Amino acid sequence: AQSVTQLGSHVSVSEGALVLLRCNYSSSVPPYLFWYVQYPNQGLQLLLKYTTGATLVKGINGFEAEFKKSETSFHLTKPSAHMSDAAEYFCAVSAPRGGSNYKLTFGKGTLLTVNP
Amino acid sequence: NAGVTQTPKFQVLKTGQSMTLQCAQDMNHNSMYWYRQDPGMGLRLIYYSASEGTTDKGEVPNGYNVSRLNKREFSLRLESAAPSQTSVYFCASRGGVSRGQETQYFGPGTRLLVL
Repeated sequence: AQSVTQLGSHVSVSEGALVLLRCNYSSSVPPYLFWYVQYPNQGLQLLLKYTTGATLVKGINGFEAEFKKSETSFHLTKPSAHMSDAAEYFCAVSAPRGGSNYKLTFGKGTLLTVNP
Repeated sequence: NAGVTQTPKFQVLKTGQSMTLQCAQDMNHNSMYWYRQDPGMGLRLIYYSASEGTTDKGEVPNGYNVSRLNKREFSLRLESAAPSQTSVYFCASRGGVSRGQETQYFGPGTRLLVL
């Protein structure tokens, strides 16, 4: 069974400040990990993903995340927040190829607000 | 490419009414999924279809049925709507089992209000 915990349902930062959104996962097998972003009244868009290989992955809009197996974490960061980053962010876990029929398990989401 | 499309965008139902939510993808993907999104709950999987001709229950299947009509289309049916089914419904698709096909692509959602 897989699960995802996102610490903090709401994070508020100032424009230009560091963005850090936390995600911890539980999985019985080495996981695939994803971050999705949802802008108001829209669907979900993939920001970045980790499957295998390099543990630091870069995504769109200047975001990156690091897979830390020892900490079972996949935190999302961006060095400098922009007003356009205001959205809800979802961390998700999937069993790798062949496992769990490729289903995603989502965290409950973190709403990011960016103050001018 | 339109990607994943969903109809309708918004629907109001009375308790006990039925309706079908439609989803189509034009990316030749094998797997399709239906989720519901509720405030503070994230997205929860209702049903999925790993490949054409197969469907399986997800985390919250009660009160729903699905049909994988063909490779492109995957519909979700509410036979007798209840207020607890008020939610935003998202359809998603995924290419397949090969490396590089791990990503699920989401539609814009259907907002359903059951009175």
